[in-house]
Amino acid sequence: DSGVTQTPKHLITATGQRVTLRCSPRSGDLSVYWYQQSLDQGLQFLIQYYNGEERAKGNILERFSAQQFPDLHSELNLSSLELGDSALYFCASSVVPGETQYFGPGTRLLVL
Amino acid sequence: AQSVSQHNHHVILSEAASLELGCNYSYGGTVNLFWYVQYPGQHLQLLLKYFSGDPLVKGIKGFEAEFIKSKFSFNLRKPSVQWSDTAEYFCAVKYGNNRLAFGKGNQVVVIP
Repeated sequence: DSGVTQTPKHLITATGQRVTLRCSPRSGDLSVYWYQQSLDQGLQFLIQYYNGEERAKGNILERFSAQQFPDLHSELNLSSLELGDSALYFCASSVVPGETQYFGPGTRLLVL
Repeated sequence: AQSVSQHNHHVILSEAASLELGCNYSYGGTVNLFWYVQYPGQHLQLLLKYFSGDPLVKGIKGFEAEFIKSKFSFNLRKPSVQWSDTAEYFCAVKYGNNRLAFGKGNQVVVIP
């Protein structure tokens, strides 16, 4: 158990819908990262937050957005969902940017 | 874009055999290097990491990795595998802006 928690574990929804994935970092970690793992693309970095502010953006679609709240938990919002958005979404956290990232159990999203 | 290459996506070997997984990256600047493992149905766990110093790094569960700067490589090794080492192994490189770039992974199956 890494100390990073993610909810829900599984999510099944339909195309065109919007979902919110939640992540709570390890106690004391200020930085949160979101990754998408799919069969064809592998593990891709989406976005990073540090102490509430966006720090870096990766291959994140415009339909996706995220935020980090004052209590340091983070939410990833996925809208206008497409079949191709089906994937495992991981959250990771680190004490500060640049330190070792510890991963949560992931949220498996299935878009039908 | 920075890239991380892992070859031989599927590896099948018998217990007690030696394992070596290759990892090559494209970034020429200062990098931090990681190997993560994902056991079936579980989240990513850190096996070992290299930030600086001795290029031969020892991790958990008997794994080690060697950083060879001239070859842009960070190969993972274990002298004698066990059935419980069946998992997917990911090499990751952290570069400049703190994001991790992952390889496609090696699916390792150890036959008892």
